[in-house]
Amino acid sequence: GAGVSQTPSNKVTEKGKYVELRCDPISGHTALYWYRQSLGQGPEFLIYFQGTGAADDSGLPNDRFFAVRPEGSVSTLKIQRTERGDSAVYLCASSLTGRGTEAFFGQGTRLTVV
Amino acid sequence: AQTVTQSQPEMSVQEAETVTLSCTYDTSENNYYLFWYKQPPSRQMILVIRQEAYKQQNATENRFSVNFQKAAKSFSLKISDSQLGDTAMYFCALGAGSQGNLIFGKGTKLSVKP
Repeated sequence: GAGVSQTPSNKVTEKGKYVELRCDPISGHTALYWYRQSLGQGPEFLIYFQGTGAADDSGLPNDRFFAVRPEGSVSTLKIQRTERGDSAVYLCASSLTGRGTEAFFGQGTRLTVV
Repeated sequence: AQTVTQSQPEMSVQEAETVTLSCTYDTSENNYYLFWYKQPPSRQMILVIRQEAYKQQNATENRFSVNFQKAAKSFSLKISDSQLGDTAMYFCALGAGSQGNLIFGKGTKLSVKP
């Protein structure tokens, strides 16, 4: 497809379970970002990839959160031992090279932890 | 610390009228970028307009224009000839780091009334 694709669109999980959220960026975009958007707030930065490597993971809230991008394209955000406070919309964005270039966003995954 | 402040949680405007959304920011960097994103109920963030801090000329995109006051660290968005399709959340964002990740404000909910 032409845009950033995120799956699933919605995910409901039980407290304590493990979840994986997938992001398929625009082909050729080397920069990939994950953000978390809580209700009534703007998106908050989680992690930035340049190619295959996590160039900045300073926004990850704790060690239950982890993300990978093994081939420099698709990225997976992994959350272990989910908590109710993890409920939010997780947005992925990609851009051609990073700084200053337009970031294109996916439609997000709404995660609900019950 | 880098911050973005949107002081108007909600705004409304009559169709065909003009509305201005406010945004202030703080950064110690000299070279940075400012963005306005639109987020309709579909959740996908869509870039409305982009401004490079080193450019004095205010950016314009059709009905959308900005008033960029660098010394005051202000970046307001003007929407002319408002249309019903402009109804959405609007987020102001700052890109000041070397990585390209964005700092978002809390958003302004804009309603365009027929």
